[in-house]
Amino acid sequence: DTAVSQTPKYLVTQMGNDKSIKCEQNLGHDTMYWYKQDSKKFLKIMFSYNNKELIINETVPNRFSPKSPDKAHLNLHINSLELGDSAVYFCASSQTGEQFFGPGTRLTVL
Amino acid sequence: AQSVTQLDSHVSVSEGTPVLLRCNYSSSYSPSLFWYVQHPNKGLQLLLKYTSAATLVKGINGFEAEFKKSETSFHLTKPSAHMSDAAEYFCVVSDRGYGGSQGNLIFGKGTKLSVKP
Repeated sequence: DTAVSQTPKYLVTQMGNDKSIKCEQNLGHDTMYWYKQDSKKFLKIMFSYNNKELIINETVPNRFSPKSPDKAHLNLHINSLELGDSAVYFCASSQTGEQFFGPGTRLTVL
Repeated sequence: AQSVTQLDSHVSVSEGTPVLLRCNYSSSYSPSLFWYVQHPNKGLQLLLKYTSAATLVKGINGFEAEFKKSETSFHLTKPSAHMSDAAEYFCVVSDRGYGGSQGNLIFGKGTKLSVKP
């Protein structure tokens, strides 16, 4: 019974395309997050949503737009993909500080 | 501002020997600290967490960590390494006061643990 799931697991696309990554959690948590992990394994938060409201936006280009249709889902839409967007993107959710992570989506921009 | 520094980017041990992964933190107030593990091509799994209760925290798979305020450290240890422990380990501090009750996780740069047979 997966707690935090992401689709797709792998995404290969051309520069300039628009793509979305979906995330769902069945833990009943109020807060969800998107992280980017670069090629050196460094993890940095991108967005946080608390009960469908954006509460953190860490200087991410506006080509990235999170969308939360309800508190169990937080999708990440990326416009005009660039080579530097290649990374692993992790979704997470939390209720009291500890965060539960999804399996990650490996995005490769060619 | 909160931050964590993992002192070793790579640690190599032999199977059956002790593991020590070092982490120092910086925090304006009492921190919440975590260790997460990431196995190759996998997501992150919580090993253990410190939230101002006992200073010696026991986690899964035989790992434990000790919070030492005087040294601003939160080192991760395990008495005897197993081959399955080979992974990337992240020390993390939570900035609970920022952005509301949920705070924000700030990750260290990770320590890659290799276990030799």
